[in-house]
Amino acid sequence: DTEVTQTPKHLVMGMTNKKSLKCEQHMGHRAMYWYKQKAKKPPELMFVYSYEKLSINESVPSRFSPECPNSSLLNLHLHALQPEDSALYLCASSREAVTSTDTQYFGPGTRLTVL
Amino acid sequence: GENVEQHPSTLSVQEGDSAVIKCTYSDSASNYFPWYKQELGKGPQLIIDIRSNVGEKKDQRIAVTLNKTAKHFSLHITETQPEDSAVYFCAASPAGYSTLTFGKGTMLLVSP
Repeated sequence: DTEVTQTPKHLVMGMTNKKSLKCEQHMGHRAMYWYKQKAKKPPELMFVYSYEKLSINESVPSRFSPECPNSSLLNLHLHALQPEDSALYLCASSREAVTSTDTQYFGPGTRLTVL
Repeated sequence: GENVEQHPSTLSVQEGDSAVIKCTYSDSASNYFPWYKQELGKGPQLIIDIRSNVGEKKDQRIAVTLNKTAKHFSLHITETQPEDSAVYFCAASPAGYSTLTFGKGTMLLVSP
């Protein structure tokens, strides 16, 4: 089973709202990723967690706050977003992030609209 | 850092034709090259991948070839079907890391 699940599928929020995106995998993977994808563009890496520790932050604004409560779960907390943050947010996982080159498996994404 | 170029950006074929998408990479340290298919409103789905110790890999109608010397790799789809219509992304990953650098994507349109 190579399934990564994400909730919610769609999210509409105002610029003053606080919301969270959730991601889950049960493949025993120790690396999890957040990507942002704008229309007609490739996924753009935001964060990488390795063994529940943040290992890469691609200079993402602080209004995006990731959290990895355990090896199966990854959250992305959103606060004071801007309309230009509207995008498809993708979660992915792989067996490892460093020490080996492993396949990343993507979830279906959360379509976020910021009004 | 790594740079991945992907061509063409759009490819239209008739059902039953073959389709070829090409990518080049810049970092000779890259050694893993996956291809993802993304349908509208969905996440990218891995369709095939290749590592640098292999020159070609095939899975039914899909094949990938890798030329390490020239730093390019290609996706070949034979006997295309309308359900192959999607955006295809190539990517490259450096040895020892699972981070990906993506190409800009190719929109494949297969007409019945």
